[in-house]
Amino acid sequence: DARVTQTPRDKVTEMGQEVTMRCQPILGHNTVFWYRQTMMQGLELLAYFRNRAPLDDSGMPKDRFSAEMPDATLATLKIQPSEPRDSAVYFCASALGGETEAFFGQGTRLTVV
Amino acid sequence: SQKIEQNSEALNIQEGKTATLTCNYTNYSPAYLQWYRQDPGRGPVFLLLIRENEKEKRKERLKVTFDTTLKQSLFHITASQPADSATYLCALDPAGNFNKFYFGSGTKLNVKP
Repeated sequence: DARVTQTPRDKVTEMGQEVTMRCQPILGHNTVFWYRQTMMQGLELLAYFRNRAPLDDSGMPKDRFSAEMPDATLATLKIQPSEPRDSAVYFCASALGGETEAFFGQGTRLTVV
Repeated sequence: SQKIEQNSEALNIQEGKTATLTCNYTNYSPAYLQWYRQDPGRGPVFLLLIRENEKEKRKERLKVTFDTTLKQSLFHITASQPADSATYLCALDPAGNFNKFYFGSGTKLNVKP
């Protein structure tokens, strides 16, 4: 059963702490996306990778967010330092590229207090 | 500025009726458009993709239309069932090469038995 796996499912942290979210894309998929979802803004594209190379991270606040793909089976999104306004659900999605759909993970619900 | 607009008000319909959801966009010329379904606490799930040269696409009880002149896509669910209750999101890739997917805010559909 191929699926995108995200960890952790839930994270509560104090303002100023570092947060790392992890994503295992579907094996063989060459495109990975990070989205953030809030009630106010909906689904926002933060960054995406093709063949592990970052193609665009213009949706991310550069001063505190960073996204990497150490290898083809792992994508990470890091926030340092975290702020209450970062509270949201963060989704990772992967795709084969070309005209194919994106497969989403279950999301990481982040609460920064 | 570029926008993707979906009706933010929930759509309430009776079981058995046809649900019609709207996605309007401005200042984009997408090569194709996708529709996703999202249930509470879960990531979006792909439903249908329609290309700019296709007027209509069907899959079981689902039908999508794409009018590039009106800059609008309509999503229909015929013979709706309570299990169809969810939030439906449209997404488009302005460049048409699966590099960036932008989502609308979604419309919540409630199908009453």
